[in-house]
Amino acid sequence: DARVTQTPRHKVTEMGQEVTMRCQPILGHNTVFWYRQTMMQGLELLAYFRNRAPLDDSGMPKDRFSAEMPDATLATLKIQPSEPRDSAVYFCASGKDRANQPQHFGDGTRLSIL
Amino acid sequence: AQKVTQAQTEISVVEKEDVTLDCVYETRDTTYYLFWYKQPPSGELVFLIRRNSFDEQNEISGRYSWNFQKSTSSFNFTITASQVVDSAVYFCALSGTNYGGATNKLIFGTGTLLAVQP
Repeated sequence: DARVTQTPRHKVTEMGQEVTMRCQPILGHNTVFWYRQTMMQGLELLAYFRNRAPLDDSGMPKDRFSAEMPDATLATLKIQPSEPRDSAVYFCASGKDRANQPQHFGDGTRLSIL
Repeated sequence: AQKVTQAQTEISVVEKEDVTLDCVYETRDTTYYLFWYKQPPSGELVFLIRRNSFDEQNEISGRYSWNFQKSTSSFNFTITASQVVDSAVYFCALSGTNYGGATNKLIFGTGTLLAVQP
């Protein structure tokens, strides 16, 4: 079965460091989503791309977070500088651009900022 | 505004019991989609089912069944004869039809932790 691939699976770093998370969507999927999961906020959308163009990044703190799709096979989420409150699990999901086909999620990146 | 409420934070049952997970949603869209995802202890999110707002037919898949009622804005999930492997957090989610009907962002409920005891 095709899967969304996220790297790294785990990341521990110190406050102030740059963090880059990567996602390879399922081949043929042209919508990509970044979600963050925390105990306090649950699952929340950070950014959303269709055909590599950002459609909605209203959930993302703009001062330190950035999301890009350099090509159709790679989406990145960067945090610079990182802060302890960014500690969370970050999920990437992809889907087909058809009337709400289900999104398929990667295994997530578990991020800890010390 | 769109919202999904899963009032049950945790449910504990004994194996072979039936269990229903509740989901209530709010939306102003006339066309919308409802989803259930499972998050086992390993952490991944697994898609279970999608329903559109025009299809209120209940659905059964093995031990899983879903009851969609627009009149009460509910989309409940029942597991029959529960098993230990069903232990997970279950999320209900909602999406609308902005952006020309393309796949839209998911609004998740807070999840229900189901613990099935042997």
